[in-house]
Amino acid sequence: DAGVTQSPTHLIKTRGQQVTLRCSPISGHKSVSWYQQVLGQGPQFIFQYYEKEERGRGNFPDRFSARQFPNYSSELNVNALLLGDSALYLCASSLAGAGSSTDTQYFGPGTRLTVL
Amino acid sequence: AQSVAQPEDQVNVAEGNPLTVKCTYSVSGNPYLFWYVQYPNRGLQFLLKYITGDNLVKGSYGFEAEFNKSQTSFHLKKPSALVSDSALYFCAVRGLTSGTYKYIFGTGTRLKVLA
Repeated sequence: DAGVTQSPTHLIKTRGQQVTLRCSPISGHKSVSWYQQVLGQGPQFIFQYYEKEERGRGNFPDRFSARQFPNYSSELNVNALLLGDSALYLCASSLAGAGSSTDTQYFGPGTRLTVL
Repeated sequence: AQSVAQPEDQVNVAEGNPLTVKCTYSVSGNPYLFWYVQYPNRGLQFLLKYITGDNLVKGSYGFEAEFNKSQTSFHLKKPSALVSDSALYFCAVRGLTSGTYKYIFGTGTRLKVLA
């Protein structure tokens, strides 16, 4: 079975631009979470979506937005890019929402975003 | 506040020796704890989790972790390290903040297994 897939693998943008990152969860998983991992740090929670609804948001500005589609894939959008947005963006999928006692998140390979 | 601490930035161990990667946590209520491993230019791979029950949890690739409630610790262990175990290891706790469940990760510990 395919794991979590993300596209693109790498992306280079300039300050002020907008970017869209994509994620396809493991088949049968209904929840997708997004994380930002800055070099040398652990992943930081951005969003969680379950059954196409936002179920959680981390401490990120409104420039960050996301959505989940009927097939449970998801997109993360970042507007007005800043140099500090350079990071590895990770998508994780799970069967149920994070509130489930059996929830385990499985991560994709990530998208490396570089903002110049 | 809910948090995870990994006190060691790097752990060096000789191949064949036992390894321990430390993690302590702070969370209200019952802790759900996880270990993930990250290889260069890769995402995080799930190793094991503690939800409830036996304090010794067995996971993938021969890893295990010991939950200690009194010491609020969840250390990752392996009886005999392999060079291929060299990677970045993250401990995580599932926390509830403002009605939102989310995973809170530590800063990571780089494990280096020397041949």
